[in-house]
Amino acid sequence: QKEVEQDPGPLSVPEGAIVSLNCTYSNSAFQYFMWYRQYSRKGPELLMYTYSSGNKEDGRFTAQVDKSSKYISLFIRDSQPSDSATYLCASNTDKLIFGTGTRLQVFP
Amino acid sequence: DVKVTQSSRYLVKRTGEKVFLECVQDMDHENMFWYRQDPGLGLRLIYFSYDVKMKEKGDIPEGYSVSREKKERFSLILESASTNQTSMYLCASSGLTGTGELFFGEGSRLTVL
Repeated sequence: QKEVEQDPGPLSVPEGAIVSLNCTYSNSAFQYFMWYRQYSRKGPELLMYTYSSGNKEDGRFTAQVDKSSKYISLFIRDSQPSDSATYLCASNTDKLIFGTGTRLQVFP
Repeated sequence: DVKVTQSSRYLVKRTGEKVFLECVQDMDHENMFWYRQDPGLGLRLIYFSYDVKMKEKGDIPEGYSVSREKKERFSLILESASTNQTSMYLCASSGLTGTGELFFGEGSRLTVL
């Protein structure tokens, strides 16, 4: 079992939709939870990170961690075509463990 | 802004060739990393370094070596390239240990024929 599991998608939604991206993890020692966004032919860039459980909001993006169920979520409100990218969840103890990424396509 | 620069975006090499992938960061970060990214497998850590002349093996170090002679530069070396090393290689740096905030370069797409 991988330490961080993520549905690869692709996920295709119309512009304006609410998008939910999800990951599960297995290591109870994980404390930091990250979401990276990767555009085609580019390196990943950090989108958001949270420490321990709870929610964190940044504009149209909300990151949510439920440590009791080992579930990580990223919600995108009012999705835009510019949000089309691959989204990678990640967590760490002494090193960063990435999910395989979910490819999101937002069509006009 | 942090900038991580990978010298080659696209390379094509032949089996058995020695390959150098160079990475430079301009933010005085202590920590540098090399990953490879493959479809369905995600990002896998090859080597990392927390200081000059220091290196640690990641999850898949076989067939690779690294060099860190200066703080800003971290090189990945494929001593004898093989077809199964065809991949996207990503360099990253971080100034903080433990929080997972990595800054990535744009990647080097290596094809080994």
